[in-house]
Amino acid sequence: DADVTQTPRNRITKTGKRIMLECSQTKGHDRMYWYRQDPGLGLRLIYYSFDVKDINKGEISDGYSVSRQAQAKFSLSLESAIPNQTALYFCATSDGGTSGVNTQYFGPGTRLTVL
Amino acid sequence: AQSVTQLDSQVPVFEEAPVELRCNYSSSVSVYLFWYVQYPNQGLQLLLKYLSGSTLVKGINGFEAEFNKSQTSFHLRKPSVHISDTAEYFCAVNSGGYQKVTFGIGTKLQVIP
Repeated sequence: DADVTQTPRNRITKTGKRIMLECSQTKGHDRMYWYRQDPGLGLRLIYYSFDVKDINKGEISDGYSVSRQAQAKFSLSLESAIPNQTALYFCATSDGGTSGVNTQYFGPGTRLTVL
Repeated sequence: AQSVTQLDSQVPVFEEAPVELRCNYSSSVSVYLFWYVQYPNQGLQLLLKYLSGSTLVKGINGFEAEFNKSQTSFHLRKPSVHISDTAEYFCAVNSGGYQKVTFGIGTKLQVIP
């Protein structure tokens, strides 16, 4: 079984709808991240969490919110989806820790289309 | 602050030819450097990483990268590519003490039969 799973894998929705993307991990890592990928722009960080009580904004958090329900679960919500949020979304985990090395382990991605 | 520049957005190469994908980084402190690969319709997976020690790092699938501190580069190389290497490759940097990883915009490697 995959260490980092994302649901759904594909979603088409309409402008103004609320959408939730879910991420679960079995790696036992404390750190979890949400990125979006757009052609020509690489990966951009939306939100990250270093433990259940720690949530931080990334570089493009406007229009998004997150919830860390447990160590293993980190959800991303689009409160009112708009077309320019059409993208590929990735969840990732890392163990980080005192070493400071944040090797990222990625889920398979969710392709979101907002019409 | 930290940043990554991938100089080529696309690199076409014939099968069995060598390839180099270029990556330059910027950071005021010590760095950890990564290369990730994304095959079509898949997530990113770690190809290799430099943490410390030997500047030549070997990864999976015959890839290697060399850390050059004076040139602030971490170029990825493979002596002979295969069709299955067709993918997008991302360079990433994580500065010591900095909690986030910064990714480059990616380089699409197209292997031509």
